Amino acid sequence: ETGVTQTPRHLVMGMTNKKSLKCEQHLGHNAMYWYKQSAKKPLELMFVYNFKEQTENNSVPSRFSPECPNSSHLFLHLHTLQPEDSALYLCASSQSRTGVTDTQYFGPGTRLTVL
Amino acid sequence: AQKITQTQPGMFVQEKEAVTLDCTYDTSDPSYGLFWYKQPSSGEMIFLIYQGSYDQQNATEGRYSLNFQKARKSANLVISASQLGDSAMYFCAMTYGQNFVFGPGTRLSVLP
Repeated sequence: ETGVTQTPRHLVMGMTNKKSLKCEQHLGHNAMYWYKQSAKKPLELMFVYNFKEQTENNSVPSRFSPECPNSSHLFLHLHTLQPEDSALYLCASSQSRTGVTDTQYFGPGTRLTVL
Repeated sequence: AQKITQTQPGMFVQEKEAVTLDCTYDTSDPSYGLFWYKQPSSGEMIFLIYQGSYDQQNATEGRYSLNFQKARKSANLVISASQLGDSAMYFCAMTYGQNFVFGPGTRLSVLP
């Protein structure tokens, strides 16, 4: 595997379900990110991890819970979601969260539908 | 607030023609980076090209070039010899300090 991978690619869940999204990067990077992309809205940064430590949480509701066990893996745990949470969830990684040359590389995304 | 503007919601171009996608940015930081990403309908955000604020030359990567006009705060993407596979959303993005912001995107459609 190369680059950034995400599983599952598609997920349909009910509002009472609990599910997790997984992201893995094979680039040797130290920073990882979760983004939400809703229809007709700009890309929204949700969480940032740098060297496994969470450095940013952009006012994300507690029904989204991130986990970063090591620099290569990032999870997004979901519970009691709302229909408006339906979106494309993108994971990205970069060398580190410093410097203006720090390029983010993205995974293919998980398209989430909440019924 | 620092931000990115992409004034063209949608663009059409004939196959094999060149196309320019506009991007203007607003920042008071002297050091910043500018990026372009391509997002096909499959969803993946693909990194295309990078330009640093102190770079003297415009960045080029294959058929992609970045027309960087610092005084006008613009960083337009030029795609030469368009191909059908270039049809996608294109996002301009900027880093400054610890921040990374995306523009709203431009949908490019390449016509056969």
